[in-house]
Amino acid sequence: AQSVTQLGSHVSVSEGALVLLRCNYSSSVPPYLFWYVQYPNQGLQLLLKYTSAATLVKGINGFEAEFKKSETSFHLTKPSAHMSDAAEYFCAVSGSGGYSTLTFGKGTMLLVSP
Amino acid sequence: SQTIHQWPATLVQPVGSPLSLECTVEGTSNPNLYWYRQAAGRGLQLLFYSVGIGQISSEVPQNLSASRPQDRQFILSSKKLLLSDSGFYLCAWSEDRGLYGYTFGSGTRLTVV
Repeated sequence: AQSVTQLGSHVSVSEGALVLLRCNYSSSVPPYLFWYVQYPNQGLQLLLKYTSAATLVKGINGFEAEFKKSETSFHLTKPSAHMSDAAEYFCAVSGSGGYSTLTFGKGTMLLVSP
Repeated sequence: SQTIHQWPATLVQPVGSPLSLECTVEGTSNPNLYWYRQAAGRGLQLLFYSVGIGQISSEVPQNLSASRPQDRQFILSSKKLLLSDSGFYLCAWSEDRGLYGYTFGSGTRLTVV
């Protein structure tokens, strides 16, 4: 069984500020972890993924995330927010063994103010 | 390269009417296919997934059904829509066991009135 908890349904930052979106997971097997971004009325786009290689994962648009097994976390960060980063972000987990579907968190809406 | 097509983009249907949403994938063979529903503030809910033609797994019992008549075609249906069926429906595909993430279509906004 696996689950994802995203802390904060909304996060507000100023343009140029650090972005930190939190994700904690629960998995009975070593997890694969993902961050997706969704712009209004569009599908989800993969930002980055952790698949048991390097624990610090770099993705598109300047985002990165660090897998911390001891904290069961996979937080998403970006050093400097842009207005174009305003969107909804989803963390997801799947099991590394056998077949399992992706389980998504409830999402965090990132608001960026000028 | 692989592409996923989903249509229609928006749909307004009366309560009790039937539903058919279609999803097709190009550029790959034997993909795993998925239907998700997204309701406001509730994240993404997996409805159905398929690992092959005619093989459908249902995650949530409800008045929706899915079919996979061809390798790269996935259809979401209902005989009689309910108000609670309103939402944003997303189709996705993955290779093999889907361990490396899914690729999503652009979604269908369904409003049941």
